[in-house]
Amino acid sequence: QITLKESGPTLVKPTQTLTLTCTFSGFSLTTGGEGVGWVRQPPGKALEWLALIYWDDDERYSPSLKNRLTITKDTSKNQVVLQMTDMDPVDTATYYCAHSNDDGDRRYWYFDLWGRGALVTVS
Amino acid sequence: QSVLTQPPSMSAAPGQKVSISCSGGTSNIGKNYVSWYQQLPGTAPRLLIYDNNKRPSGVPERFSGSKSGTSATLGITGLQTGDEADYYCAIWDDSLTTGLFGGGTKLTVL
Repeated sequence: QITLKESGPTLVKPTQTLTLTCTFSGFSLTTGGEGVGWVRQPPGKALEWLALIYWDDDERYSPSLKNRLTITKDTSKNQVVLQMTDMDPVDTATYYCAHSNDDGDRRYWYFDLWGRGALVTVS
Repeated sequence: QSVLTQPPSMSAAPGQKVSISCSGGTSNIGKNYVSWYQQLPGTAPRLLIYDNNKRPSGVPERFSGSKSGTSATLGITGLQTGDEADYYCAIWDDSLTTGLFGGGTKLTVL
């Protein structure tokens, strides 16, 4: 059974760097095809794809946020960390981590399981 | 404005059928496989459809997906009040080399 859980600060100040951790179980990021990504959702707004890291260290970032995002993995801890620099009040959102396994063929990408999300307020 | 375009809202009566559209382009829907997500109020998104038309275990047959050219459709039959939610399409974009979500459709069952 795959589970994911987000953790991190609930409140950050403008210009600070946000660090969020996704702790997962039920799969390993050393297994071919496996990936963990991040999605955010400002209050009352749509989902926004942020970043994704795969078992082979392939990293993908939203073009509009690429300069502010870093995604890393710690396979020994079953964790994926997302850092977002220079936080602004418009970055206030619920941040979700999610599991993906497209067997290396990105044409088939999707997120099959999600964490419950972590609300981050920038103020 | 999202690269994937969905109607912002739709409504239908209980028992009726609704079709939610997702319009994209040749670098995404035209080449790759669409997924759909349901987000009930106050909850995390849930995968409804993957690979254009496949349902994960536990998703009722009332939910279906299709794709034609650069557009995709989520169909829901036998609408229930519990289907009131936001629905999102998603896909990998070959030009951006990232995933994308549509702008979402708020479904009201009245």
